[in-house]
Amino acid sequence: AQTVTQSQPEMSVQEAETVTLSCTYDTSESDYYLFWYKQPPSRQMILVIRQEAYKQQNATENRFSVNFQKAAKSFSLKISDSQLGDAAMYFCAYRSENQGGKLIFGQGTELSVKP
Amino acid sequence: DVKVTQSSRYLVKRTGEKVFLECVQDMDHENMFWYRQDPGLGLRLIYFSYDVKMKEKGDIPEGYSVSREKKERFSLILESASTNQTSMYLCASSYPQGVNYGYTFGSGTRLTVV
Repeated sequence: AQTVTQSQPEMSVQEAETVTLSCTYDTSESDYYLFWYKQPPSRQMILVIRQEAYKQQNATENRFSVNFQKAAKSFSLKISDSQLGDAAMYFCAYRSENQGGKLIFGQGTELSVKP
Repeated sequence: DVKVTQSSRYLVKRTGEKVFLECVQDMDHENMFWYRQDPGLGLRLIYFSYDVKMKEKGDIPEGYSVSREKKERFSLILESASTNQTSMYLCASSYPQGVNYGYTFGSGTRLTVV
């Protein structure tokens, strides 16, 4: 079975600085998708970025980018120019197309942003 | 604006009660999911459904059941609520497998069983 591990329960970053959140996963599949979700205090889960496993190029969305290392099964999220509104819980997630499209989540990383 | 709506934001129930958590989506998604969120454990899948009247167990189905009579509605049922079911419950929907989309989530129901 696939697993997703986020080893950093909490992270902190100074406003305008850069922070990297770590995520590793375990799978024997070759075709899958990876996601980062943000959950602010409002509880609404927001999709931050997605990566298709077959694509070698790392995904980028404005200030958010990923470092996808398929062989190492690593999928880290980099947030550049951190803003106060980036403070939230961040979840890494894995989606297989062989299991009904269900998402498997990591434990989450609580990010705080200091002014 | 597309939406997944959960009927209650906060809910307090007594031990042994039968509890219904309702979820409605307006995106014509085939797949719907119920997750439970606990600190340090992330989101764990309880049940999911990929079609009307179809259901599949997730990773932690014990003590729960589900109902999907219509495409847009997916209900989670706690047959006899217990204190260890105190948690945040999140509903989500998505297009079926093979389509590269993430999920759309509801805003969660925080359930307290006393």
